[in-house]
Amino acid sequence: DTGVSQDPRHKITKRGQNVTFRCDPISEHNRLYWYRQTLGQGPEFLTYFQNEAQLEKSRLLSDRFSAERPKGSFSTLEIQRTEQGDSAMYLCASSRGTGSSDYGYTFGSGTRLTVV
Amino acid sequence: GQQVMQIPQYQHVQEGEDFTTYCNSSTTLSNIQWYKQRPGGHPVFLIQLVKSGEVKKQKRLTFQFGEAKKNSSLHITATQTTDVGTYFCAGASGGYQKVTFGTGTKLQVIP
Repeated sequence: DTGVSQDPRHKITKRGQNVTFRCDPISEHNRLYWYRQTLGQGPEFLTYFQNEAQLEKSRLLSDRFSAERPKGSFSTLEIQRTEQGDSAMYLCASSRGTGSSDYGYTFGSGTRLTVV
Repeated sequence: GQQVMQIPQYQHVQEGEDFTTYCNSSTTLSNIQWYKQRPGGHPVFLIQLVKSGEVKKQKRLTFQFGEAKKNSSLHITATQTTDVGTYFCAGASGGYQKVTFGTGTKLQVIP
């Protein structure tokens, strides 16, 4: 168990550029979540996968955001035409859950995005 | 949508003093989780409470889930400098698997 890995750790991009982040969850975990956190705030839910199916997507996620989890393993989060308001820490978490039960999330170290 | 509020927003205590943070949800929760985030770090899972009125202890930490399953608390006895960080509650409701995080309580312990 090597934990949840996120890549890259930091990303600086110019406004209008596209960026893609990767998350490798704990292998036994069937659920994968993306959250966004800004300074001094709690993590905000973005989207959630159970295996390869994207089951829920926040209204916070505009059409510029897309997430995938092919084959139910790693996941990618893409932001198109980045805006300065997208600057934040993007956190990935995974968990092992059945039905409506869950056993706590394991978070990765996050990808800090700065849009200049 | 579901809202989860925590009070206080900040707390400074002398080392050895007790600390409590309170969590309130706008909706009835199916479970409540607690996380600790150290400065510059990511949230780390502490515990999950599921039953109405449940109380769980982890060494100096005591977690409670309210009878109505709309509120929760975390109490730390005799704080230490290692307790520094932001404590978040996170609740799930309405059959959804994802949790909504609270606003957090930032704890500073003065040696």
